[in-house]
Amino acid sequence: KNQVEQSPQSLIILEGKNCTLQCNYTVSPFSNLRWYKQDTGRGPVSLTIMTFSENTKSNGRYTATLDADTKQSSLHITASQLSDSASYICVVSGTTSGTYKYIFGTGTRLKVLA
Amino acid sequence: GAGVSQSPSNKVTEKGKDVELRCDPISGHTALYWYRQSLGQGLEFLIYFQGNSAPDKSGLPSDRFSAERTGGSVSTLTIQRTQQEDSAVYLCASSLDNRGQPQHFGDGTRLSIL
Repeated sequence: KNQVEQSPQSLIILEGKNCTLQCNYTVSPFSNLRWYKQDTGRGPVSLTIMTFSENTKSNGRYTATLDADTKQSSLHITASQLSDSASYICVVSGTTSGTYKYIFGTGTRLKVLA
Repeated sequence: GAGVSQSPSNKVTEKGKDVELRCDPISGHTALYWYRQSLGQGLEFLIYFQGNSAPDKSGLPSDRFSAERTGGSVSTLTIQRTQQEDSAVYLCASSLDNRGQPQHFGDGTRLSIL
């Protein structure tokens, strides 16, 4: 069964600290993996996209890693800011008969405190 | 417009009434998706459009739910005889195509059934 599991479910950190969010998936065949940031009351916004051959990708203070062998990804946030408070969603896509399917994790809710 | 637009942003209605939710995708995006997000839950796929046709409507929870897309652009999601369990945020996303291009999300319609 195609699944995407994220951990932790929620996280509270102090401003300026680093944190790492985890995503494990069983989607097959695998096409790509995206991390989205969803602010409260808004739609998700793409942070990074990684394909099978990519191990790491950065977007400012966000760095995503991918281990296609163990089917694990992480999102590392450096020097957190109050504006980083949001839900972070891992989405894995795969193709079935030429059609892409998007499998969403339930997200990690991050709260950054001053 | 520059992004995906959804209307209304909020909708409160009585149980048993019909509701219609609208999505204006990014111009030129051929793929359009509807998702449902319940409080604290991940995104639940409802239906996918390629142009005006819906090759995948497997996520529609019951025959009370229907959707259409006209002119390869605007889409409406209709829920008939609403029930309290229909209360959720309904998100629409569009992408250039369904070959792994990033999905761009609207801010959703928050539906509350009294």
